Amino acid sequence: EAEVAQSPRYKITEKSQAVAFWCDPISGHATLYWYRQILGQGPELLVQFQDESVVDDSQLPKDRFSAERLKGVDSTLKIQPAELGDSAMYLCASSFGGSNYGYTFGSGTRLTVV
Amino acid sequence: KNQVEQSPQSLIILEGKNCTLQCNYTVSPFSNLRWYKQDTGRGPVSLTIMTFSENTKSNGRYTATLDADTKQSSLHITASQLSDSASYICVVPNAGNNRKLIWGLGTSLAVNP
Repeated sequence: EAEVAQSPRYKITEKSQAVAFWCDPISGHATLYWYRQILGQGPELLVQFQDESVVDDSQLPKDRFSAERLKGVDSTLKIQPAELGDSAMYLCASSFGGSNYGYTFGSGTRLTVV
Repeated sequence: KNQVEQSPQSLIILEGKNCTLQCNYTVSPFSNLRWYKQDTGRGPVSLTIMTFSENTKSNGRYTATLDADTKQSSLHITASQLSDSASYICVVPNAGNNRKLIWGLGTSLAVNP
């Protein structure tokens, strides 16, 4: 069964350092999402891509977060500088055609900022 | 306001027993409703997607129902197994707002031996 690949699986970083997460969606999925999930809460959408274009980044803290999907395939989410409050699970999901279709989530990257 | 509310917040059952989780939503217009299972420290895994015209859909021991008139959905788990211990999350796309997903807070299910 096709999967959304994410790496690293876990990341511990010191505050003020830079950190990056990588996501490889299911082949052929045009829509890619980055979510942040704080323990005990539902996922919060950070950014949505349609192919290589950003569709929605209204909840992305742009002073420190950036996301790109240069060739419309894999994507990178970066945080610089990391803050203690960024500790969370970062989930990537992909979809064939948007929210009317099913999403497939990756296993996530668990970020701990110390 | 578009919302998704789930109950109970948490549930403990014995292995082999059945249980039913509830989801009420106020998202409008409605296109579909999804149930996800999320193990601790893992990403959510889709269990079912219910569209407006579907009343019942099964996926193995999981059966989801949808009443679009009352805006309620349920997820029934039969013959529970220890591996069913997880958070079960109800999600409804907001069809009018760039189709953002509206997430419930989930029901935390613990299946004990």
